[in-house]
Amino acid sequence: DGGITQSPKYLFRKEGQNVTLSCEQNLNHDAMYWYRQDPGQGLRLIYYSQIVNDFQKGDIAEGYSVSREKKESFPLTVTSAQKNPTAFYLCASSSGQGRIYGYTFGSGTRLTVV
Amino acid sequence: DAKTTQPTSMDCAEGRAANLPCNHSTISGNEYVYWYRQIHSQGPQYIIHGLKNNETNEMASLIITEDRKSSTLILPHATLRDTAVYYCIVRVFGGFKTIFGAGTRLFVKA
Repeated sequence: DGGITQSPKYLFRKEGQNVTLSCEQNLNHDAMYWYRQDPGQGLRLIYYSQIVNDFQKGDIAEGYSVSREKKESFPLTVTSAQKNPTAFYLCASSSGQGRIYGYTFGSGTRLTVV
Repeated sequence: DAKTTQPTSMDCAEGRAANLPCNHSTISGNEYVYWYRQIHSQGPQYIIHGLKNNETNEMASLIITEDRKSSTLILPHATLRDTAVYYCIVRVFGGFKTIFGAGTRLFVKA
């Protein structure tokens, strides 16, 4: 079945360390997104990518970096510059032609700084 | 993309219809109304979308007012598994910077 796979499901990081969250999709979608969700709150856009080798900052990009070397993959790096990285991170994708149907989301990665 | 306003939480009895309202008074003519839901610790799931006509699918119905400034998501026979956070968003076709607010936390009670 097609879908989005995020890994790992749970991630623990020491302060000052960079960590990379994986997002892979086999839906042949053009666009991919990273959102952050804090407890009891909505989703905030970190980065998005419309096509391979291109990406744009969302509303809260500071302290994060991304790459889009392949259509299927959109990894997110949480750097040591991110002041409060503990959160639930969601990856999503949407197709160019079918974008009207919105997003397909992964199951998320819960990052905890210890 | 326009912002939306939803109640923080709602209760519904199992087997009854759940009616979830959403205000989007600043919606523009080319923005669609989408509904998603998020069950605890999972990614949001697409439910339904519409532009100006009422829509129905196997999960729910979407009623959009004639002036398009508000809409209602209807789950016709709510079950315990429908307990989730429901997000109403408005989005231009092909838009990328969608705003997800805090949504409505629906509690379906036996």
